[in-house]
Amino acid sequence: AQTVTQSQPEMSVQEAETVTLSCTYDTSENNYYLFWYKQPPSRQMILVIRQEAYKQQNATENRFSVNFQKAAKSFSLKISDSQLGDTAMYFCAFMKHAIGGGSNYKLTFGKGTLLTVNP
Amino acid sequence: EPEVTQTPSHQVTQMGQEVILRCVPISNHLYFYWYRQILGQKVEFLVSFYNNEISEKSEIFDDQFSVERPDGSNFTLKIRSTKLEDSAMYFCASTLGGYSNQPQHFGDGTRLSIL
Repeated sequence: AQTVTQSQPEMSVQEAETVTLSCTYDTSENNYYLFWYKQPPSRQMILVIRQEAYKQQNATENRFSVNFQKAAKSFSLKISDSQLGDTAMYFCAFMKHAIGGGSNYKLTFGKGTLLTVNP
Repeated sequence: EPEVTQTPSHQVTQMGQEVILRCVPISNHLYFYWYRQILGQKVEFLVSFYNNEISEKSEIFDDQFSVERPDGSNFTLKIRSTKLEDSAMYFCASTLGGYSNQPQHFGDGTRLSIL
């Protein structure tokens, strides 16, 4: 079974600064996906960024980037130039890779990190 | 952009009553999921559904729970006899699946309160 650990229940950052959220996971799978989802006060779970484990290059999406360390089973999220709208709960999640391709399996989530961006 | 929609946004039910939570997945998606989040805890997988049958379920998904896709558009979660510990936020998700490598898209959730 997979586990996902987010060791920071809460974090805060000043607007325009950079913040890094930590995530570690445990799995015996070799092929898998890792995700960061954002859940603002409006409740909807929004995909922020995704990383395929077989890719060595770290994923980036505009101000969001990850530091994926497969050997260490670490998957941290860096938010650059933080904005007030980034205030949300951030969940790290794991999904094993379907045999033959695809992404049909369940997501296993961490407990989340509540990020507050201060003006 | 297409969205997963869930109704109602908040459901209050007496303990022991049946409750049905409704979801309309994105129209061309093939895989459907229910997750729940008890207040202050992590999001937990309940069940996945494909080709009109359950493909995987968690230990939480006991015989009090059932899912159905009654009309090709709705995807429902039924709890037969609710317990206090069923109080949680319930999220529906869907994905195209297969070789598409598309992520799961989530609805806004239904907050279920059992009295």
